[in-house]
This record gives sequence, C-alpha cells and structure tokens, in this order.
Amino acid sequence: DAGVIQSPRHEVTEMGQEVTLRCKPISGHNSLFWYRQTMMRGLELLIYFNNNVPIDDSGMPEDRFSAKMPNASFSTLKIQPSEPRDSAVYFCASSPTGLGTKFFGPGTRLTVL
Amino acid sequence: GNSVTQMEGPVTLSEEAFLTINCTYTATGYPSLFWYVQYPGEGLQLLLKATKADDKGSNKGFEATYRKETTSFHLEKGSVQVSDSAVYFCALTSNTGNQFYFGTGTSLTVIP
Repeated sequence: DAGVIQSPRHEVTEMGQEVTLRCKPISGHNSLFWYRQTMMRGLELLIYFNNNVPIDDSGMPEDRFSAKMPNASFSTLKIQPSEPRDSAVYFCASSPTGLGTKFFGPGTRLTVL
Repeated sequence: GNSVTQMEGPVTLSEEAFLTINCTYTATGYPSLFWYVQYPGEGLQLLLKATKADDKGSNKGFEATYRKETTSFHLEKGSVQVSDSAVYFCALTSNTGNQFYFGTGTSLTVIP
C-alpha cells in the first residue's frame, strides 16, 4: 500500500496567488482529514470528510480556504488568495472510519512570500 | 469537553537514558488513546494505541498504559536511541469517533 499521497511536497508562492494542495487517501478508507501544522499553533484540524461529505469544517480559518472531495480517492485544499500567514505544513490523513487510527501523508510545506 | 495535555518540551536526553513523556486527558465516555511520532520532515506515524482502561500499548520499545483512574497515558522507553529523536504527540478519539484531539507535541532530542 502506498499510504496517503500528497502533492506537491513543497510549494513556494507569492502572496495573492491561488494554491491547491492535493491528497489521495489510502484505498478503502472512508474518512479524510486536512491538518495544518505551525510552530505557533501546533497541529490544527481544518476539515474532515466522511464518505466524501464534509462533516466538520469549523477549523477552516477563513473563507479563503476551501476543500473538496469529489470522489473517494481524491481531495483538494485550496487557498485563494494566499497570504504569508498561511505558510505551514499541511497534512492529509485518512482512516478506515471516523474512529481510531489515522494514517498521515508526508505533508506539503507551503511558503507564501 | 475532550482535550489532551502533554508535557512541554523540548526534552534532551543522552543515549540509553530512560524516557517519560507525560500525557493526561479529559474526555467524556471511553476514549481511545494514541501516541504518534513525527520524524523530521515527515508526517505523523502511529506509534502505539490503547482502546480501553488498563490496556498497554507498545511498539519499538515504547510503552504507554491507559490509566482511567489518573486519566493518563504516559509514554515511556527504557533506553532511548539517537534515532528516537522526533516530536511525540499524544491523542485521543472520542467514543463517538467523530473527533480526534492531539496534544501540542513534545520534541525529543537524544544525543550520543
């Protein structure tokens, strides 16, 4: 099993640009989570999906952030427009159900200049 | 509500020293408890877990026991190695399974 796949691994962009992060969960997992990690705030849950349906997006910081899961094998997290304070590592994780063990991807390191 | 509190780091130990990273939790019902490890430049990986009181999770020489009476899940290792240098996260999931709570992470550095 390839595990959770994220792309790109690194993204450097300028303020105001649109950024799209991608995630492919482990096949057969019903739940998908997007997290953001920074030194200041640690690990924050942004949004999670169950069976492709967004269940809780209360962690999404602003309207500039949006996430979609058009099918069971793909999700995107979009930031438009991006700002320097969005610089962080963004992790995608999946789990067989909402319960229990989460499997994390390697993360996307985003730098907004 | 549910929450996890773990000891602040950073923690620096010499190789072969004994490690304890404290974790306490607040939860309604009967949560499952986890320790995740994040090596530099990588995502979080499950280290061990326990799903009910008095269960002991263990992996790679690490252990943690689910103590309901003290609401704790402290991580221990008898003899750390340089390769154990990482950030360790304590976490719980509620018994409904809809929420997953991470602690703030504890950075461990092991020096030769």
